[in-house]
Amino acid sequence: EPEVTQTPSHQVTQMGQEVILRCVPISNHLYFYWYRQILGQKVEFLVSFYNNEISEKSEIFDDQFSVERPDGSNFTLKIRSTKLEDSAMYFCASSEVGGHEQFFGPGTRLTVL
Amino acid sequence: AQSVTQLDSQVPVFEEAPVELRCNYSSSVSVYLFWYVQYPNQGLQLLLKYLSGSTLVKGINGFEAEFNKSQTSFHLRKPSVHISDTAEYFCAVSYPNSGGYQKVTFGIGTKLQVIP
Repeated sequence: EPEVTQTPSHQVTQMGQEVILRCVPISNHLYFYWYRQILGQKVEFLVSFYNNEISEKSEIFDDQFSVERPDGSNFTLKIRSTKLEDSAMYFCASSEVGGHEQFFGPGTRLTVL
Repeated sequence: AQSVTQLDSQVPVFEEAPVELRCNYSSSVSVYLFWYVQYPNQGLQLLLKYLSGSTLVKGINGFEAEFNKSQTSFHLRKPSVHISDTAEYFCAVSYPNSGGYQKVTFGIGTKLQVIP
């Protein structure tokens, strides 16, 4: 069964460093998403992406964040200068055109020291 | 705007007992409803979903949920829980929009602890 994959599973970085979180969505899906879950809190929407542009972003998704589809398979989330409060689990998801369900990856746990 | 309320942050239940995890939502439009389960240190796994049609939906691992439009609820139930059901359960809603994508809004989660 096709699935969304994410790498790395765990990323540790120093405050102020740039990080790139990688996702491989399901191959025939065209909509891509990032969500964030701070420890002990609910999963929050960050951004949706379609046709090489952002469809919608939340207020969390400020100028420090960017997304990119650098090739035909990867979808990345970049945090330009990490802050302590960026420590969270980041989930990638994808959905197909006309689909009703988003398929989530296993997540990347980001720890900012 | 849509929102999801999970009234119980933690639910302890004895093994083989029934359980109900409550979820209420608010939305001005028709929504799709989901329950996800998250086992410790793992990602989100879809348990079941309601898109349309029958209001009683059955999911994996013996779980089911009933959509009640008048009460704007989508409670999750299982008649007999197992130790392996210990996890956090998230209720979520989304709705279709003109952009063709969905934005999923999650509840805060309910931790189900099954006691041997």
